[in-house]
Amino acid sequence: VQLAESGGGLVQSGGSLRLSCAASGFTFRSYWMTWVRQAPGKGLEWVANIKQDGTEKYYADSVKGRFTISRDSATLFLQINSLGAEDTAVYYCARIAIFGVIEGMHIMDVWGQGTTVTVSS
Amino acid sequence: DIQMTQSPSSLSASVGDRVTITCRASQSISTFLNWYRQRAGKAPQLLIYAASNLHSGVPSRFSGSGSGTAFTLTISSLQPEDFATYYCQQSYNMPRTFGQGTKVEIE
Repeated sequence: VQLAESGGGLVQSGGSLRLSCAASGFTFRSYWMTWVRQAPGKGLEWVANIKQDGTEKYYADSVKGRFTISRDSATLFLQINSLGAEDTAVYYCARIAIFGVIEGMHIMDVWGQGTTVTVSS
Repeated sequence: DIQMTQSPSSLSASVGDRVTITCRASQSISTFLNWYRQRAGKAPQLLIYAASNLHSGVPSRFSGSGSGTAFTLTISSLQPEDFATYYCQQSYNMPRTFGQGTKVEIE
């Protein structure tokens, strides 16, 4: 079971990037997926979730309207637009396992190694 | 949004010590609480889910407890690989929120 992010880099303020997360070793279409980021020296910040079939998406207020989460048969994406200095971070993708038939509790059980986005002014 | 507050923010301990980290939620989240360990420069790793369930492959020295608004993570005997930062995270509702982290350092 592996997740491998790519697509990060140095981008100017106001620019755009498309991050990818390649999944392998598990049935990708059966899982919710998520993006979490971590600014330099800071804690973890949830960014967005997407349902197995892509019909439900949720975003943090800090990225709503600028970021778009999507997926295809084996890859998770994050389109990030109108980048600002506050978006400089390592971006992790993670698989979401669901615990409990009734509770439906979401658990981030497998993580990628992260891809770094640096926004310059 | 549900605020998650960890204490302490950092602590110093020695190999073999028993360590306890507390996480409090700003409202009741039942047992919708997960714990992660993040070693320096690495991705987070799931340790405990649903407040008290040990994730597959995680050593038994880790345990979790609590419900409602108060939760604890306990490491019964600290090992060298446990010097890291620990985060709690609620999955009760959106947006998902993490605690600010507890850094466990070598004394």
